[in-house]
Amino acid sequence: SSELTQDPAVSVALGQTVRITCQGDSLRSYYASWYQQKPGQAPVLVIYGKNDRPAGIPDRFFVSSSGNTASLTITGAQAEDEADYYCNSRDSSGNHVVFGGGTKVTVL
Amino acid sequence: QVQLQESGPGLVKPSETPSLTCAVSGYSISSGYYWGWIRQPPGKGLEWIGSFYHSGSTYYNPSLKSRVTILVDTSKNQFSLKLTSMTAADTAVYYCARVMTTVTDSAFDIWGQGTLVTVSS
Repeated sequence: SSELTQDPAVSVALGQTVRITCQGDSLRSYYASWYQQKPGQAPVLVIYGKNDRPAGIPDRFFVSSSGNTASLTITGAQAEDEADYYCNSRDSSGNHVVFGGGTKVTVL
Repeated sequence: QVQLQESGPGLVKPSETPSLTCAVSGYSISSGYYWGWIRQPPGKGLEWIGSFYHSGSTYYNPSLKSRVTILVDTSKNQFSLKLTSMTAADTAVYYCARVMTTVTDSAFDIWGQGTLVTVSS
């Protein structure tokens, strides 16, 4: 399969923890990378590889995986974490890239 | 630091074949990394278009492969995207990005700001 599935939307109370999932067969072989996108802006890479964060990304973002599911967890969610989050990976062939449909995170 | 800047025609007519360009500064595309194009229709999600490595390997989204060509100009440190037979469904913000590629993942670590291409008569 070359698809990655994400829940369309999730909400979290300020300061609480939220988990966003990404499902797909290719995740059994490849890591998911995660992107944050705010309105009118380009996506920003927040997590890649086993649990690597680019410079400037706070450590309240971390990932875990099990089987065909990768999860991005935000602990102590802040107002600035409200955004769309996308996962991506390679497809099962390994030669192509696929994106999930995105999850809108609302911080209440 | 590494920066990417897209440029494009803005408005194209149906069936036209526009050319979008991604100018890279702060890093030579001949030095390594994969580089790619991603698009996002208004209000929708991200779609990978294709990626290439400076030595010549190029990969395209199977759903777009028949209409897409990525060309590289190392002398200008830029790469371009050509998408034939444009329709309204191709209206989107087109992003270029650098790709960190390993055996186990492909992560787009640096993105341009994007350029909106609207297909309309």
